[in-house]
Amino acid sequence: DAGVIQSPRHEVTEMGQEVTLRCKLISGHNSLFWYRQTMMRGLELLIYFNNNVPIDDSGMPEDRFSAKMPNASFSTLKIQPSEPRDSAVYFCASSIHWGTGELFFGEGSRLTVL
Amino acid sequence: GQQLNQSPQSMFIQEGEDVSMNCTSSSIFNTWLWYKQDPGEGPVLLIALYKAGELTSNGRLTAQFGITRKDSFLNISASIPSDVGIYFCAGQERFGAGTRLTVKP
Repeated sequence: DAGVIQSPRHEVTEMGQEVTLRCKLISGHNSLFWYRQTMMRGLELLIYFNNNVPIDDSGMPEDRFSAKMPNASFSTLKIQPSEPRDSAVYFCASSIHWGTGELFFGEGSRLTVL
Repeated sequence: GQQLNQSPQSMFIQEGEDVSMNCTSSSIFNTWLWYKQDPGEGPVLLIALYKAGELTSNGRLTAQFGITRKDSFLNISASIPSDVGIYFCAGQERFGAGTRLTVKP
């Protein structure tokens, strides 16, 4: 069975450009989580969805960040405009049920903003 | 917000030694979990704990859910080189800062 699939794996962009990160959930999972990982701040929860509905977006750093889940199997995280401090590895994870905490992570998208 | 304090931050041990790491929180969690992250990959679930006081083993790994629901520990026995990586505790979907483990052959 395919795991959580993220794209792109690596992205290098210039400050001010729009960045879109994509995530495909494991089939049958109904909760989706976006995390950002940096050396300084570790794994930060940005936002999570349950049954396509955003439940908690309090971790989204600024209005420049937005996330959508247009259907049960797919999500996007958009940064517009991007800034150098957004450079990080962004992980998507899915779970069968919200609240169990048993997360299955993708391999991450490494973002570098110059 | 909910804060998890994980220690130690890093460990350097000899192959064959046992390892212990722990996590505490000011908040109560219904679930405690332990994950391992290898370089270039996402964290992978090792053990999930659902009941206060629960002690669970998975091979050489043993983890406990603290009776107060505010802490957990993970033990690794007889470490081997492939145990190298970063270990994270998580209270439900909130993660600790990680323990970086290095095992010298």
